[in-house]
Amino acid sequence: AQKVTQAQTEISVVEKEDVTLDCVYETRDTTYYLFWYKQPPSGELVFLIRRNSFDEQNEISGRYSWNFQKSTSSFNFTITASQVVDSAVYFCALSAYLSINAGNMLTFGGGTRLMVKP
Amino acid sequence: DTEVTQTPKHLVMGMTNKKSLKCEQHMGHRAMYWYKQKAKKPPELMFVYSYEKLSINESVPSRFSPECPNSSLLNLHLHALQPEDSALYLCASSPLLVSKNIQYFGAGTRLSVL
Repeated sequence: AQKVTQAQTEISVVEKEDVTLDCVYETRDTTYYLFWYKQPPSGELVFLIRRNSFDEQNEISGRYSWNFQKSTSSFNFTITASQVVDSAVYFCALSAYLSINAGNMLTFGGGTRLMVKP
Repeated sequence: DTEVTQTPKHLVMGMTNKKSLKCEQHMGHRAMYWYKQKAKKPPELMFVYSYEKLSINESVPSRFSPECPNSSLLNLHLHALQPEDSALYLCASSPLLVSKNIQYFGAGTRLSVL
C-alpha cells in the first residue's frame, strides 16, 4: 500500500518569506515517481515537478526548489521569497506504475494550503 | 501545449436528471482519468482509460458511467445522482510511457446536485 503524508494542513506567511512544504511517503516499490502539483482557487491542478526514485538530485526552478531524500522518504518543496500569487493548495503525490496498458495511479497527500499575505 | 479542456465549468442538476461531463485533450495521450475532489480533500481516482478501454474502476457507483469514444475524448455520464456527489470533477491525461508519465489536469467541472 502506498501513502503520502503532508503534515502541514495550512501555512501562513508574509510576502518575501521563504516557506517549506513537507511531504513524506511510504511505498514498497523500488521504482516510483514523486510529484508536486499546485491547485489555485480556480481548481486546476498545475504540474510542478516529477522526480523518479533513482534520481536524488535536488532541483531548482526559479524561486522553487525540491529536496528529495530517499533515506527519510521525504520530498520537500521550498518557495523562496514567496509572493501572493503562490497562495494555493499544494499536493504531493506518489505514482504506482501498473503496467504499460493500465496507466499510472497517483496517490495524493492531503494537501497543504499556503496563504501568502502582502 | 499541455491543455486538457473540460466542459461545462459549472453544473447544477436535480437527482432525477441525466447529464454528461466532457473532457478533451489533443496531446496524443493514450491514458485518461476521472477524479472526484470534495472540498478541502485531495482528488480521488474514479476511472482510468488506456487505449480507449476502461482499465481501472475504483468501485465507483453505477450512477457514474464513463465513456471514451476516441483517443481525444472522455465523457462521464451522470444519472440519478445524490447530493453527496456534489464535488469538483477533474479530468486528466498522460502518456502511457513510464518515462513520461505526467498527468495533466483540466480545470474541472463543479457539480452541485440538488
